[in-house]
Amino acid sequence: EPEVTQTPSHQVTQMGQEVILRCVPISNHLYFYWYRQILGQKVEFLVSFYNNEISEKSEIFDDQFSVERPDGSNFTLKIRSTKLEDSAMYFCASSTGGRPEAFFGQGTRLTVV
Amino acid sequence: AQKITQTQPGMFVQEKEAVTLDCTYDTSDQSYGLFWYKQPSSGEMIFLIYQGSYDEQNATEGRYSLNFQKARKSANLVISASQLGDSAMYFCAFLQGMKTSYDKVIFGPGTSLSVIP
Repeated sequence: EPEVTQTPSHQVTQMGQEVILRCVPISNHLYFYWYRQILGQKVEFLVSFYNNEISEKSEIFDDQFSVERPDGSNFTLKIRSTKLEDSAMYFCASSTGGRPEAFFGQGTRLTVV
Repeated sequence: AQKITQTQPGMFVQEKEAVTLDCTYDTSDQSYGLFWYKQPSSGEMIFLIYQGSYDEQNATEGRYSLNFQKARKSANLVISASQLGDSAMYFCAFLQGMKTSYDKVIFGPGTSLSVIP
């Protein structure tokens, strides 16, 4: 069964460093998303991406964040200068657009020290 | 602004029994969708079931059914014949509008379900 794949599963980075979280969405899906979940808290929407551009973003998704689909299969989230409060589980998701449900990857746990 | 409430932070159920997880939402929209996702201890988010606000029938997917009461703004998840593998965190989520894209989805705080042998 096709699935969304995220790498790495866990990343530790120093405060102020740039990180890139990678995702391979399901191949025939058209909409791509990033969510985050701070430990013990609810899942928060960050950004959605369709037709090679951002379609929606939340107030969390500030200038430190960017997304890219560099090669038609990968979908990346970059955090330019990480802060301690960026520590969270980051989920990538994708959907067909024909049905509303999105399918999530297994997440990348980002720890900023 | 839309708001999702899950009033049960933790629930216990005996194996093979049915359990209902509560979800209420607050919206003035006429057109919206509701999801339930499961998050096991391994951390991944697993889609369970979807209900559109204009769907006349309650959604069902195997052992999962959604008890949708539009006038009461509730969308409770019913799990029949609980299994040990159902122990997980369960999130109710609200989709604004009926766009097929997954924008502006608001997740509730979650309910932790423990199935007792």
